[in-house]
Amino acid sequence: EDQVTQSPEALRLQEGESSSLNCSYTVSGLRGLFWYRQDPGKGPEFLFTLYSAGEEKEKERLKATLTKKESFLHITAPKPEDSATYLCAVQGYSTLTFGKGTMLLVSP
Amino acid sequence: NAGVTQTPKFQVLKTGQSMTLQCAQDMNHEYMSWYRQDPGMGLRLIHYSVGAGITDQGEVPNGYNVSRSTTEDFPLRLLSAAPSQTSVYFCASSRRLAANTGELFFGEGSRLTVL
Repeated sequence: EDQVTQSPEALRLQEGESSSLNCSYTVSGLRGLFWYRQDPGKGPEFLFTLYSAGEEKEKERLKATLTKKESFLHITAPKPEDSATYLCAVQGYSTLTFGKGTMLLVSP
Repeated sequence: NAGVTQTPKFQVLKTGQSMTLQCAQDMNHEYMSWYRQDPGMGLRLIHYSVGAGITDQGEVPNGYNVSRSTTEDFPLRLLSAAPSQTSVYFCASSRRLAANTGELFFGEGSRLTVL
């Protein structure tokens, strides 16, 4: 059974304080790892797809990286508008499995 | 830029009542799906469709029915609502080629409470 574990469950940062979110996974035949952002009361919004170990993707202050067992979402110099829940999901042979998410709060 | 539209946004039902959650997308996506999101759990797939006339079950299909008569619409029917179906429901769509890549477009959700 595919599994996705995200840590920490919640993270509070000061504006400008860089940090990383972790997504550990076990999957039979990784076809892709995905990061989403979800604002309160909204649906998830797609951010990145990573396909193979060593791959990196960047978007503004966010950078996602992938190894054979985990992915990191690095947030550089975050701003209050980066506050959201970040979801990780992995696609195996037949299923897409979501983690429970990391709730990020960035204080000014 | 409507994307994926869900109605209603909020609904309260009594146990045993039935209802339909509507989902429409204007991106000509072949793949559509329904998820439920509960506190402390990841999104769980209820049903999905890879094109008009084709539907299949996901991880938690019991108590729900779907149909896909057009490319644009994918309604979710609750046959006899139970308190365990209290949840936030999300409809999501994708280009068929991307259906296995997780690059999903989500609606804003329908918040259902069953008393």
